[in-house]
Amino acid sequence: NAGVTQTPKFRILKIGQSMTLQCTQDMNHNYMYWYRQDPGMGLKLIYYSVGAGITDKGEVPNGYNVSRSTTEDFPLRLELAAPSQTSVYFCASSQGRVNQPQHFGDGTRLSIL
Amino acid sequence: DQQVKQNSPSLSVQEGRISILNCDYTNSMFDYFLWYKKYPAEGPTFLISISSIKDKNEDGRFTVFLNKSAKHLSLHIVPSQPGDSAVYFCAASAGNTGNQFYFGTGTSLTVIP
Repeated sequence: NAGVTQTPKFRILKIGQSMTLQCTQDMNHNYMYWYRQDPGMGLKLIYYSVGAGITDKGEVPNGYNVSRSTTEDFPLRLELAAPSQTSVYFCASSQGRVNQPQHFGDGTRLSIL
Repeated sequence: DQQVKQNSPSLSVQEGRISILNCDYTNSMFDYFLWYKKYPAEGPTFLISISSIKDKNEDGRFTVFLNKSAKHLSLHIVPSQPGDSAVYFCAASAGNTGNQFYFGTGTSLTVIP
């Protein structure tokens, strides 16, 4: 019962470095999402995908890129890490578009120093 | 601009009593609402949802009430158990833009044995 798997769980980056946060799901969900959660705040949508090859921006996309080459995988790329990107990142997936709850991974805690 | 608000950052209740968590929203286009539960170092887990065509939805010890005229929803947990201690997020979406959920900032519930 893997569900949504995120790697790594923790990472410390230096300013200007790049990295990719990995997300994979085994539920054959078409819809996948990336959120960030800052301390004391709700989750903010960064990017989402409605299927392989299709991605779109969410509420806070600046500084990030995504790709969706398969149904299972939805990696999030930070090209030039900045301290403002220090956050906890959650990946989620859902079965459908409307009125379907999202299933979340356990998050990646990222610190930019 | 926080479209979904949870004004109580924390709540403490005695075991066996009722827990009431509140959530307000500003966007009248929201028509689907969810509650998620989150333990430390884990991702949010879907708890219960309600569509705007209903004013109440019940699942075991959990009941969600929706007051559309007041743009307010609440989650009732009866009876509260120590294992319910977690952070609870409400989230909302509009059917015509169902890819984006807007999350509140969360309420940390502590159930005291």
